[in-house]
Amino acid sequence: KQEVTQIPAALSVPEGENLVLNCSFTDSAIYNLQWFRQDPGKGLTSLLLIQSSQREQTSGRLNASLDKSSGRSTLYIAASQPGDSATYLCAVVSRDDKIIFGKGTRLHILP
Amino acid sequence: GAVVSQHPSRVICKSGTSVKIECRSLDFQATTMFWYRQFPKQSLMLMATSNEGSKATYEQGVEKDKFLINHASLTLSTLTVTSAHPEDSSFYICSARDRVLPSSYEQYFGPGTRLTVT
Repeated sequence: KQEVTQIPAALSVPEGENLVLNCSFTDSAIYNLQWFRQDPGKGLTSLLLIQSSQREQTSGRLNASLDKSSGRSTLYIAASQPGDSATYLCAVVSRDDKIIFGKGTRLHILP
Repeated sequence: GAVVSQHPSRVICKSGTSVKIECRSLDFQATTMFWYRQFPKQSLMLMATSNEGSKATYEQGVEKDKFLINHASLTLSTLTVTSAHPEDSSFYICSARDRVLPSSYEQYFGPGTRLTVT
């Protein structure tokens, strides 16, 4: 059974710093991995989607990497801003066609 | 980009009543839609997968007679919470997969519906 773990559960960093969020999954047989952002009480905003054949994806200040063999992904946020404060969710689509979410990392950027 | 809407965004109902939540794909056709539930400070948990024109597949522990799912068209799926109880209060989110691009396995998420049962 696929399990997705995100570390740390919460993170506070001063504005301007670069940071890394980690995601690990137990079954490397995945179709893709996706990073989402969720603001309190809101739905999901898709940030980056990495297909199983890809190693990384970039969008603006965000860079996500995927190492399928080791079951790991990282989300790198450069030059963090207070507006980046949110919960970041990692999710994988497994071979049984189900999307499994991690519990998320609650990020707080200190002004 | 692909847009998924949900209606209503918030609903408050009394215990014992039924509530229907709609999920629509606005600019694409979705053969498959998914329903998730999220409790406070928890992650999203898949409740069921619905395919257009067929019965939904429910995850273990989800009561199919309580959470009725209908996927009558390629753009609409509904979730009806029957005989709601306070413990059903949660954030319900749907997602849809583009019929044209199934190989990407990307899902597009709706904005969610906050259900409060009093």
